[in-house]
Amino acid sequence: DTGVSQNPRHKITKRGQNVTFRCDPISEHNRLYWYRQTLGQGPEFLTYFQNEAQLEKSRLLSDRFSAERPKGSFSTLEIQRTEQGDSAMYLCASSNPQGASSPLHFGNGTRLTVT
Amino acid sequence: AQSVTQLDSQVPVFEEAPVELRCNYSSSVSVYLFWYVQYPNQGLQLLLKYLSGSTLVKGINGFEAEFNKSQTSFHLRKPSVHISDTAEYFCAVSYQGGKLIFGQGTELSVKP
Repeated sequence: DTGVSQNPRHKITKRGQNVTFRCDPISEHNRLYWYRQTLGQGPEFLTYFQNEAQLEKSRLLSDRFSAERPKGSFSTLEIQRTEQGDSAMYLCASSNPQGASSPLHFGNGTRLTVT
Repeated sequence: AQSVTQLDSQVPVFEEAPVELRCNYSSSVSVYLFWYVQYPNQGLQLLLKYLSGSTLVKGINGFEAEFNKSQTSFHLRKPSVHISDTAEYFCAVSYQGGKLIFGQGTELSVKP
């Protein structure tokens, strides 16, 4: 169990640019979640996958955000035309197939700074 | 709407003193409850969880929490804190579907 891996750890970009983050979950976990965390706040749910299927997406999520998990393993989160308000820590988590009772295992996050 | 409220944004405490971090949730259905800890520039680490059974749950690092259904609370406690417990603590609930809804966090600051 090598844990959930996220890359890059830090990303600085200029407003209007596109960015993509990658998450590698724990290998036997079939659920994968994306959260966003701003300073002084708890993580905010963005979306989650069961295998390759995206089962839920937050209504707060702008159309500029898109996530994929093409083969049910790693996932990418892309933000198009970044805005300063997108600056945050983006957290990925995974869990095993036990459903709602399974704790989420988090990666160390990708910190995005939009200048 | 489903929500989690952590009643204290900051809790300063002296080393070896007891501490309680408060958490209340709203729900009309059964829930699963979790406490996570976050150290600076790191992801979240699970402290403990309540799924069913005994309402007193023990976790890592000497922490425990008590589920109170009538008060919809899940307060976290530790009888004697250490400097190394300084971190951000998040209460979270899981409803159907498995996603977690988090509270806003409580910053625990342990002073010597």
